[in-house]
Amino acid sequence: NAGVTQTPKFRVLKTGQSMTLLCAQDMNHEYMYWYRQDPGMGLRLIHYSVGEGTTAKGEVPDGYNVSRLKKQNFLLGLESAAPSQTSVYFCASSYSMGRRGSYEQYFGPGTRLTVT
Amino acid sequence: AQKITQTQPGMFVQEKEAVTLDCTYDTSDQSYGLFWYKQPSSGEMIFLIYQGSYDEQNATEGRYSLNFQKARKSANLVISASQLGDSAMYFCAVRSTRGGTSYGKLTFGQGTILTVHP
Repeated sequence: NAGVTQTPKFRVLKTGQSMTLLCAQDMNHEYMYWYRQDPGMGLRLIHYSVGEGTTAKGEVPDGYNVSRLKKQNFLLGLESAAPSQTSVYFCASSYSMGRRGSYEQYFGPGTRLTVT
Repeated sequence: AQKITQTQPGMFVQEKEAVTLDCTYDTSDQSYGLFWYKQPSSGEMIFLIYQGSYDEQNATEGRYSLNFQKARKSANLVISASQLGDSAMYFCAVRSTRGGTSYGKLTFGQGTILTVHP
């Protein structure tokens, strides 16, 4: 199993450009998440999805859109990139909540995005 | 809203000694879960250990144990017999399990950088 994969690994954008980050998981997980990690900070949730065709906002959703057309894929889009979106982006997935709620999130390797 | 506080920006430990990384949390939920993740310099996030709020015993996973003090709202990570490969950033995270409506969302602390000296 590849687990959670992210494409691309690195990207440099100019202000105003758009791009899409792709996350794929092969573990048949229902839930998927996009986080961003800024220097010296923990991860913050951007958007998440609890199933195919459903998405919801997280803590820092402004400037991003997401789509989950297939269960295994979760796309994060930046329509008009800004320098404040320079960050490392992590995708994660997990099984849906069990009674104990113990299902951990599996993370992808991250995408380092720089907006100049 | 939930909040995680990790008050130690950096910690140092000698190889083969034990180290405790602090984590306090703030949640009004009765049911929640606490996680610790490790992030080496290569950047990936590695799950270490989980503690449920209703678990009576402290969680253990190999050299990792979680010192869970519910009344104090603390969930400290203890690493025994430190190894050079333990040098990394460590994150504490909390997830509400109330009614399942949290959908597994995690709130992370700022992290603690652990350096293991030979």
